[in-house]
Amino acid sequence: NAGVMQNPRHLVRRRGQEARLRCSPMKGHSHVYWYRQLPEEGLKFMVYLQKENIIDESGMPKERFSAEFPKEGPSILRIQQVVRGDSAAYFCASSQNTQYFGPGTRLTVL
Amino acid sequence: GEDVEQSLFLSVREGDSSVINCTYTDSSSTYLYWYKQEPGAGLQLLTYIFSNMDMKQDQRLTVLLNKKDKHLSLRIADTQTGDSAIYFCAESDNNAGNMLTFGGGTRLMVKP
Repeated sequence: NAGVMQNPRHLVRRRGQEARLRCSPMKGHSHVYWYRQLPEEGLKFMVYLQKENIIDESGMPKERFSAEFPKEGPSILRIQQVVRGDSAAYFCASSQNTQYFGPGTRLTVL
Repeated sequence: GEDVEQSLFLSVREGDSSVINCTYTDSSSTYLYWYKQEPGAGLQLLTYIFSNMDMKQDQRLTVLLNKKDKHLSLRIADTQTGDSAIYFCAESDNNAGNMLTFGGGTRLMVKP
């Protein structure tokens, strides 16, 4: 049973470009969570999704960030018009009860 | 909002016990977790404890929960150099969507 998959593992973007981060949950898991980890900090909750539904997006910045978890395919975290402050590690977790984390995508904005 | 606090750094000698402490503020926490993060890697779930328990042991790991004081600790017996990592305490509330609130992490350094 493969774990939570995230890709790409590393992503470099210039200011103003778009970043798309993908997360495939563990088999049988229907809940997906996205977290952001700034350098030298803990993880901060961003958004919680179930298939085709956003359940809680209280941790998402109001502008430029969006997330989806379609009926088929991975969950996508999309960041439009990236800025340097978006540079961070973005972790996805999936669960039925306990959350299991993917390896993360490290976004660097030049 | 909820808050989870941890000390930043702990250094121990190989073979000694390590105790990593965590305090939290959410009185409705349902589960409390310990995750391990090695450099450049994701988070590995080490263990978790339900809020109505006060102790859980799993091989070299012992979790103690003082619900009255909202204090959680992770004891690692016979600490090895491979235990060097950042350890995150986290809590979740079943009534709030189960998202995790993390502490800032404790960096454990194990000296040979």
